[in-house]
Amino acid sequence: AQSVTQLGSHVSVSEGALVLLRCNYSSSVPPYLFWYVQYPNQGLQLLLKYTSAATLVKGINGFEAEFKKSETSFHLTKPSAHMSDAAEYFCAVSAARGNTPLVFGKGTRLSVIA
Amino acid sequence: DTAVSQTPKYLVTQMGNDKSIKCEQNLGHDTMYWYKQDSKKFLKIMFSYNNKELIINETVPNRFSPKSPDKAHLNLHINSLELGDSAVYFCASSQGEVPLGAFFGQGTRLTVV
Repeated sequence: AQSVTQLGSHVSVSEGALVLLRCNYSSSVPPYLFWYVQYPNQGLQLLLKYTSAATLVKGINGFEAEFKKSETSFHLTKPSAHMSDAAEYFCAVSAARGNTPLVFGKGTRLSVIA
Repeated sequence: DTAVSQTPKYLVTQMGNDKSIKCEQNLGHDTMYWYKQDSKKFLKIMFSYNNKELIINETVPNRFSPKSPDKAHLNLHINSLELGDSAVYFCASSQGEVPLGAFFGQGTRLTVV
């Protein structure tokens, strides 16, 4: 079974500051890991994914994440926050084998202060 | 063209009613899902279909019945609606048995009064 823990339900950063959203996973089999973003009243948009290739994954809007097996982590970072980054961010895990749907963390709300 | 589209976007109904939510994807994917997002934004899988065949059915009340007439459509019918069914329901699709990233619809906000 897979599970995801997102540390911090709310993170607040200043515009231009580093964004760090934390995600730790648990999986009994090799995982695939994802970050999604949800803007108010919208669906989820895939930011980036780790599917057992490069451990440092670059996504859209300047975000990246690093898969660290030893730490069971997949933290999301962005060097410089922009006001438009304010949204809910979800980390998700699935297994690298058949018929396992995405299992989501509880989400982290990112606020960006001008 | 919207990749995964759901209708309606908003649904307000009384307790005890029966309602349906429709979902269509034009991505050519073979797997579709229904997720429920509660008031605390927690997303939980409800159902998964692969090539019109039900492959995942989480602990969902049997008042909820998914139907997949073809690979591009997955509808959700809910009988005898209860207050606790109020949530946002998301349809999603992916290709293959291992989701390398699912595409989500805009969601249907269901409010039961």
